[in-house]
Amino acid sequence: GQQVMQIPQYQHVQEGEDFTTYCNSSTTLSNIQWYKQRPGGHPVFLIQLVKSGEVKKQKRLTFQFGEAKKNSSLHITATQTTDVGTYFCAGHESNQFYFGTGTSLTVIP
Amino acid sequence: DAGVIQSPRHEVTEMGQEVTLRCKPISGHDYLFWYRQTMMRGLELLIYFNNNVPIDDSGMPEDRFSAKMPNASFSTLKIQPSEPRDSAVYFCASSIGANVLTFGAGSRLTVL
Repeated sequence: GQQVMQIPQYQHVQEGEDFTTYCNSSTTLSNIQWYKQRPGGHPVFLIQLVKSGEVKKQKRLTFQFGEAKKNSSLHITATQTTDVGTYFCAGHESNQFYFGTGTSLTVIP
Repeated sequence: DAGVIQSPRHEVTEMGQEVTLRCKPISGHDYLFWYRQTMMRGLELLIYFNNNVPIDDSGMPEDRFSAKMPNASFSTLKIQPSEPRDSAVYFCASSIGANVLTFGAGSRLTVL
């Protein structure tokens, strides 16, 4: 069945350092979405990527969708303490969302 | 809009008891999803509905779990009898056209 893996599982960075999480699907996806879950909170939608090779930016966050539509990445430039949380990718296929395992980001002030 | 509303926020119960979790989706959303989140297994899709009809319940762990959506504004997830391994955070999410998910705050279940 559909599998979406994310690496790394955990990442600790000093405030101001960059952070990247990678997402890989076992199959080609229609689109991919990214969600952020703050500690004790619920997942909140960040962005959706649809086109092969697509790149989108939200302030310090850069999202990429691979050419084969099987992988994606989220890069945060100059992390801040407000970036703390778990970042999930979700492959979207046939009305279902296949969530990745998530990357938990800790930012050390 | 108040968003997706879940209740209760926290539930502590003893093994063998019946648990009912409730969800009110965003008005106008035609898809409703139930997810379970644990440290070990992450976010797991349990079941989803389209226009109140269950479409895929292959993620429901076993017969102890059941879900209903009697109308467009209400859904329940029931566990009977509950077991300690059911302890998790249960999220309800809704969307328009199975597109972007809006999650509720979750129901944290602890089964002793």
